[in-house]
Parts: sequence; structure tokens; C-alpha cells
Amino acid sequence: KAGVTQTPRYLIKTRGQQVTLSCSPISGHRSVSWYQQTPGQGLQFLFEYFSETQRNKGNFPGRFSGRQFSNSRSEMNVSTLELGDSALYLCASSLLPSGAGDNYGYTFGSGTRLTVV
Amino acid sequence: DAKTTQPTSMDCAEGRAANLPCNHSTISGNEYVYWYRQIHSQGPQYIIHGLKNNETNEMASLIITEDRKSSTLILPHATLRDTAVYYCIVRVAGTGANSKLTFGKGITLSVRP
Repeated sequence: KAGVTQTPRYLIKTRGQQVTLSCSPISGHRSVSWYQQTPGQGLQFLFEYFSETQRNKGNFPGRFSGRQFSNSRSEMNVSTLELGDSALYLCASSLLPSGAGDNYGYTFGSGTRLTVV
Repeated sequence: DAKTTQPTSMDCAEGRAANLPCNHSTISGNEYVYWYRQIHSQGPQYIIHGLKNNETNEMASLIITEDRKSSTLILPHATLRDTAVYYCIVRVAGTGANSKLTFGKGITLSVRP
């Protein structure tokens, strides 16, 4: 069974630009979460989507946004990129949303490494 | 903020058991203990989780103390491929906004030949 697929794997952008990252969850999984990982801050939660609705949001500025499509695929967008946005962006999928009494672990993708120059 | 504390690092010999401790003294009754690991340049991998009973799967065993204030992840026969950062996470199940995964700094396990 295919895992969580994130595209692209690597990306280089210039300050001020915007970027869109894509995540395809495991077939049948309807919940998608996004995390940012940097050496200084570690893994930080961005947001979670289930059935095309944002269910949970971390403490990131409004430049970070996301959405989920009817096929459960998700995208996240970062506008007006800053140097500090350079990070590994990870997507995780699960069968159920995190508030539905699930006892399942999340399956993470390999991430998109974004470098802002 | 993460609600767990873990040592920064530890090592063990290949083939021996690796016992990774975690303190979660403020854990609530409806919070589970989850363990994930992250091998360099990959996404975190789910290992195991538990509420109050000890759990075992094909990857590891999880021992939770009776008062639930600490736990130990046991890799029974560590291999070089188990070298990774291991995250202990407490997480609410069933209450929506508070049930996201909050990662701390984790413990770096180095398995030596």
C-alpha cells in the first residue's frame, strides 16, 4: 500500500515569493496534518484537515495556509517567504481526525525541504 | 510546549535491548503515551502507544508505570538501523483541538556495532 506522498522533495525559493506544497495521504485516510521542522524549533504543528475542513491550527502567522480537497489530498501555501521559513515540511495522514476518539498513529511522508534564499 | 522530558541521548550495543525512558508527570487521565522515531532525513515513524497497560508490537514494547507518570520504550534487540531520534509524546484522544501531536526534542539513540 502506497505511503504518504509529498511533492516536491526539494525546493528553492527567493524571499518574497510564495510556495505551494502537496501531500497525498494513504488511500482511505481522510485526515492530513502538516508540520514544520527546523533545527532550532524542532517539529511544530501547523494545521490539520479532515473532510476538507481545518480542524486544528498551530501558532503560525497567516502567511501559512492550507486546504484539503475532496479526494483528501492536501496543499499548504506559504506566501511572502522569509529566510526563516527554510525548513523540512512534513505531512502526516491518519484514518480519522485527531479529535474523533482515534487510537491510531499518524503516518508521515518524507517531507519537502524548502530553502529560502 | 511538550509535556514530556527525555534524556538528550543514549547509546547501546547492537543486539542488546535499548530502554528509552520518558517522564510525563503531568499526564491526564485521558492522555495516551505515543512513541515516534525519526531516522535522519525521513519523516517520523509511529512506533507504539498506550494508555495505562503495557503494550507490545512487532517493533517495541511500552512499559507505563502504575501512576502513569513515566514510561519506557524497549527495543528488545537493537540494530544499527534503530539509530534515530525517539520522541515520547502525550496526546489526548477524543477532544479535537488538544489532540494534536506535540513533539519535544526527543532522545537520540545511537546503536554501536
